[in-house]
Amino acid sequence: GQNIDQPTEMTATEGAIVQINCTYQTSGFNGLFWYQQHAGEAPTFLSYNVLDGLEEKGRFSSFLSRSKGYSYLLLKELQMKDSASYLCAVTTGRRALTFGSGTRLQVQP
Amino acid sequence: NAGVTQTPKFRVLKTGQSMTLLCAQDMNHEYMYWYRQDPGMGLRLIHYSVGEGTTAKGEVPDGYNVSRLKKQNFLLGLESAAPSQTSVYFCASRSGTDINQPQHFGDGTRLSIL
Repeated sequence: GQNIDQPTEMTATEGAIVQINCTYQTSGFNGLFWYQQHAGEAPTFLSYNVLDGLEEKGRFSSFLSRSKGYSYLLLKELQMKDSASYLCAVTTGRRALTFGSGTRLQVQP
Repeated sequence: NAGVTQTPKFRVLKTGQSMTLLCAQDMNHEYMYWYRQDPGMGLRLIHYSVGEGTTAKGEVPDGYNVSRLKKQNFLLGLESAAPSQTSVYFCASRSGTDINQPQHFGDGTRLSIL
């Protein structure tokens, strides 16, 4: 079986930094994706990690530790438009993604 | 530059009615997927396809059927709709045989079963 855990909700202030954690227990782990989903919209791809370490893309960074079954998404210089759900998803031996329940981030002025 | 297109965008059905959701992609992707998204439960895989003429069951396939007669289209059918199938349905596609390619999602179909 597969189990992916994320916090349900987080609140942060505009201009600040927030870290969204994801822990997973899976068999045959290949890699981990982060998606962003605004309310009422489709998920959009943010980042992908297959090796241990940090991947940086502008204001967004994602970290993976395969030995600990742990990842985080780091959002810097938060903007109001970053208010959205952030979905952690893992790929295993199957040909599809397994998603966590998502973390709803609210950015306040 | 359409990407993944889902039709219809909204639909209300009565229990027992049938309908088909259509997903079309113009990116020549081999792999296509149908997910449902319910509050607090994230995206769950219903069925998927690794190429024209092939389909496979996902995590929650009961009550649904699919067909991939053409590479660009993936159809999801509900033969006898039930209130438990009220959900937002997303279609996705990705390229190649590398599972680590990102999936591209359609805008979703919001389905209510009364």
